[in-house]
Formats: sequence, C-alpha cells, structure tokens
Amino acid sequence: KNEVEQSPQNLTAQEGEFITINCSYSVGISALHWLQQHPGGGIVSLFMLSSGKKKHGRLIATINIQEKHSSLHITASHPRDSAVYICAVRKDGNQFYFGTGTSLTVIP
Amino acid sequence: DTAVSQTPKYLVTQMGNDKSIKCEQNLGHDTMYWYKQDSKKFLKIMFSYNNKELIINETVPNRFSPKSPDKAHLNLHINSLELGDSAVYFCASSHYFSGENIQYFGAGTRLSVL
Repeated sequence: KNEVEQSPQNLTAQEGEFITINCSYSVGISALHWLQQHPGGGIVSLFMLSSGKKKHGRLIATINIQEKHSSLHITASHPRDSAVYICAVRKDGNQFYFGTGTSLTVIP
Repeated sequence: DTAVSQTPKYLVTQMGNDKSIKCEQNLGHDTMYWYKQDSKKFLKIMFSYNNKELIINETVPNRFSPKSPDKAHLNLHINSLELGDSAVYFCASSHYFSGENIQYFGAGTRLSVL
C-alpha cells in the first residue's frame, strides 16, 4: 500500500466548476506539498503546508494533521487548469513520499 | 533565466551504455534532488544532496551514481543502462530548513533505452 493515496485518480469537470482533490497519508510528516504537472511534463510546486490553509489565486490547499488528510481546491476552474496534481509528503529530514497523481481535465 | 536546468532534454541510447544527465540551479539553494517518473506517471525520489552531502539514497541500483561537484550542480550518472531505466528523470532544488521548503523542478529528461 502506498504511503500517500490520492482521490480521485481521474477527474473531468466543466469550466467554472469547483474542484476538490483529496490526499490521505499514513506516515508522520513534517510538511505536505502539492505539485502540478502540465501536459508537457513540467512540474510546478504549488504549495507547501505544515498546518492550516493556504491560498494562491484560485487555488486553496488545506491540511488536517490529526486526520492525515489534505485537500486541494480549485475555484472557477478553467481549461488551463488541466494537469496532473500530485500530493507529496515530507517525512523526517528530506524523505519524500508521492501520491500517484490526479489527472484533471477541465472542459470548456 | 531558467532556475533549474537539466540537460539533455531527451536521451535515446542502447542497452549497456553509460550516460549522464546534468542538473544546475541558479537559485542559491543548498539541497538538490533526483526523481524518476515511470511510465505510469508515478514519481519516486532517488537521491537528495544537501550542501554536497548525500542525505537520501532510496533503493536504487548502484548503477546510478549521483555526483555533486558543488551546491549548484547535481549530476546523475547511469552505468550499464537497462530497458527498465527508461523514464523521465526530474531534478529539483530547494532551500532546506524546517520552514518553507518549496521545490523547484527542472523540465525533465526523457530517457529511452533501446
């Protein structure tokens, strides 16, 4: 079993919809990262969270350390949000575990 | 200016060959990483270097040897390439401290072993 589980694996939404991607993990962590991988392959780091909530533009990330769960929300989704979103948790030192990603397609 | 740059972008080679992938960052970060993304898009960390010292070495074959000549560079050398080494390899860097640790990724190197 993977230490980091994401759901859903695939997600199709209409433009403008509110989107939620979930991440659950089973190890003790010092931080959690949300990454975005574009169709061309490039990876961008969106957020690093150790508690609470962060917002950047239309993206919101939350984490509940007690429940070992994080969510990534996209408000007013747009076709350019289409990408794979990857949850990664950082354990002790610099050890990382990655989820398998959620493939998001936003249809105009 | 590219923050994290990898070369080459594409690498096609025969089984048994030795190849290197180079990574350089101009962000002044003290930690660099190599990741492997397989055909199922699953991302795995391979190595991490902090100030030229190896701090993560996940279970990878010893045919893979990272080399860090200085804090700004972390090269990946692969000996005796095998078909299963075909993947996209990503380099990343960050500033390692207990606070913010956003990683910046290179564009990836797509390695195809024939």
